[in-house]
Amino acid sequence: QQQVKQSPQSLIVQKGGISIINCAYENTAFDYFPWYQQFPGKGPALLIAIRPDVSEKKEGRFTISFNKSAKQFSLHIMDSQPGDSATYFCAATLARQLTFGSGTQLTVLP
Amino acid sequence: KAGVTQTPRYLIKTRRQQVTLSCSPISGHRSVSWYQQTPGQGLQFLFEYFSETQRNKGNFPGRFSGRQFSNSRSEMNVSTLELGDSALYLCASSLDGTVNYGYTFGSGTRLTVV
Repeated sequence: QQQVKQSPQSLIVQKGGISIINCAYENTAFDYFPWYQQFPGKGPALLIAIRPDVSEKKEGRFTISFNKSAKQFSLHIMDSQPGDSATYFCAATLARQLTFGSGTQLTVLP
Repeated sequence: KAGVTQTPRYLIKTRRQQVTLSCSPISGHRSVSWYQQTPGQGLQFLFEYFSETQRNKGNFPGRFSGRQFSNSRSEMNVSTLELGDSALYLCASSLDGTVNYGYTFGSGTRLTVV
């Protein structure tokens, strides 16, 4: 019940395109849904986060869409840039513990 | 301000040895969490400390332990190392551990067990 499923495992998009990463969860007690970006040799860095009572949150080129009834949430990266190439993790929080998805390796081609 | 500092960055140990990793949180942050990252299992929660008390523990064997000092710095210890303990160990700090303030990760300690 603590699992967060993430897809796709890898994603290749052209510069300027839209990158979409999807996650699904089972535990309805999760109370916070962050997305992290990780570059090689670095720890995950918080990108954007949403609470379950909000359906969408946008920060710059990054948007989280949240569907509480379907227990799904997704990250949209608009106007993707080569500098966005990294591994992205969705996560869900309960009792001060982050449960991470398996990660998506995003490659943005110039 | 300074971020989360983890030392050492790299470590090579042999099986059955023990190891201690250190984490200095962001100044003023009182919650420190530890995560293990491996290619096979991904990112997994180890434990969380707040004001020197362990508040939450993940599903890891007792060989994995930690502590937090009065200045919020934290250490984690792994005893009787196994090859499967090779991983990137990440520390995350938070003002109080709640979602209100988020978690900031360090760059990790890469542990290799040979």
